[in-house]
Amino acid sequence: QLQLQESGPGLVKPSETLSLICTVSGGSISSSTYYWAWIRQPPGKGLEWIGSIYYSGSTYFNPSLMSRATISRETSKNKFSLKLSSVTAADTAVYYCGTNLVGGATEYWGQGTLVTVSS
Amino acid sequence: QSALTQPPSASGSPGQSVTISCTGTSSDVGKYNYVSWYQQHPGKAPKLIISEVSKRPSGVPDRFSASKSGNTASLTVSGLQTEDEADYYCSSFAGSNNPVIFGGGTKLTVL
Repeated sequence: QLQLQESGPGLVKPSETLSLICTVSGGSISSSTYYWAWIRQPPGKGLEWIGSIYYSGSTYFNPSLMSRATISRETSKNKFSLKLSSVTAADTAVYYCGTNLVGGATEYWGQGTLVTVSS
Repeated sequence: QSALTQPPSASGSPGQSVTISCTGTSSDVGKYNYVSWYQQHPGKAPKLIISEVSKRPSGVPDRFSASKSGNTASLTVSGLQTEDEADYYCSSFAGSNNPVIFGGGTKLTVL
């Protein structure tokens, strides 16, 4: 049973870079079964897919965030990460890491971590 | 790619059935058989309840069923139970340039 856990600062200042890590247990991020994804949810609002990374290292992004988002991985530590630059208050959200199947269904989810953008 | 369109709310009494729609376009829902549905209780992570239009993951009750016709997908919850009260989101594959798009969510109330 895969388990994912997000970690990172809960408060980021405007114009700075948001950095989050997802630690995976119960499976390997080197597996070709999944795309390793980031999804966010602003308080009281809906879900937004940010992007994903495949075992090969290929990355895919939501066009609206592509210019600011970077997803990378550390296979030796079984972790993958998200960096979102030039953040504003609109980036305040619960950020989830998860596993995307082919076609985009997110099968496993982390518990989520709230990131607030504020000075 | 715009978000998929869902009704903001739906309701039903225990034991009844309710259907939630999810409308996209010929570039996403209408083109690919990769529509998913999620259930989210307050303060919890979403839970996948349907993938690939109508497939239920292991452990999801068969009270949850789904289908697609043209550019619109639908989730039906039969035999409503109080624990079905939650937010429901649809999503669809939309091509390699924007792989995953979500609907705005539907709040299901069990009266």
